[in-house]
Amino acid sequence: AQSVTQLGSHVSVSEGALVLLRCNYSSSVPPYLFWYVQYPNQGLQLLLKYTSAATLVKGINGFEAEFKKSETSFHLTKPSAHMSDAAEYFCAVSLTGANSKLTFGKGITLSVRP
Amino acid sequence: EAGVAQSPRYKIIEKRQSVAFWCNPISGHATLYWYQQILGQGPKLLIQFQNNGVVDDSQLPKDRFSAERLKGVDSTLKIQPAKLEDSAVYLCASSSGTLIGKFFGPGTRLTVL
Repeated sequence: AQSVTQLGSHVSVSEGALVLLRCNYSSSVPPYLFWYVQYPNQGLQLLLKYTSAATLVKGINGFEAEFKKSETSFHLTKPSAHMSDAAEYFCAVSLTGANSKLTFGKGITLSVRP
Repeated sequence: EAGVAQSPRYKIIEKRQSVAFWCNPISGHATLYWYQQILGQGPKLLIQFQNNGVVDDSQLPKDRFSAERLKGVDSTLKIQPAKLEDSAVYLCASSSGTLIGKFFGPGTRLTVL
């Protein structure tokens, strides 16, 4: 069985500061990993995904994540936060295969201070 | 390309009443998922369909929840009777066999009073 741990429930950064959202996973087989963003009253939008190709994955809106097998981590970063980045972020894991089910972490709320 | 459509967007009912949600996936996506997202938690898979067959319903409370996907396109999720703890956002997602990643609809926010 797979699982995802997102430590902490809330991260606050200043506009222009580095964003770092942590995600650690547990999987008995090489996984696929995802980051989703959820804006208020909206569904989940895929930010980026790792599917066993390059370990550094670039996504939309300037976000990127690095897969580190030795640390079982897939942390999400953005060099400079923008006010529009304020949202809830979910890390998720699945088995390989396009139709494998996603197992989500509990999410992290990102606040951006002016 | 049209996204995943869901209706209604919001629903308020009293406990013990029934409610149904509708989902229309992205055209051509054979796999459809229903997730339950309770406030403060990540989404949890309730049921997965491949075309009109059930692939995984291990976390669906079958005494009160039911889902169907007639003709392998649209799907409905029903709760009967509803309990207070069913208050959540119900998300529908779809995927194709060729593109990795699920596409989510806007969700239906259910409040049970």
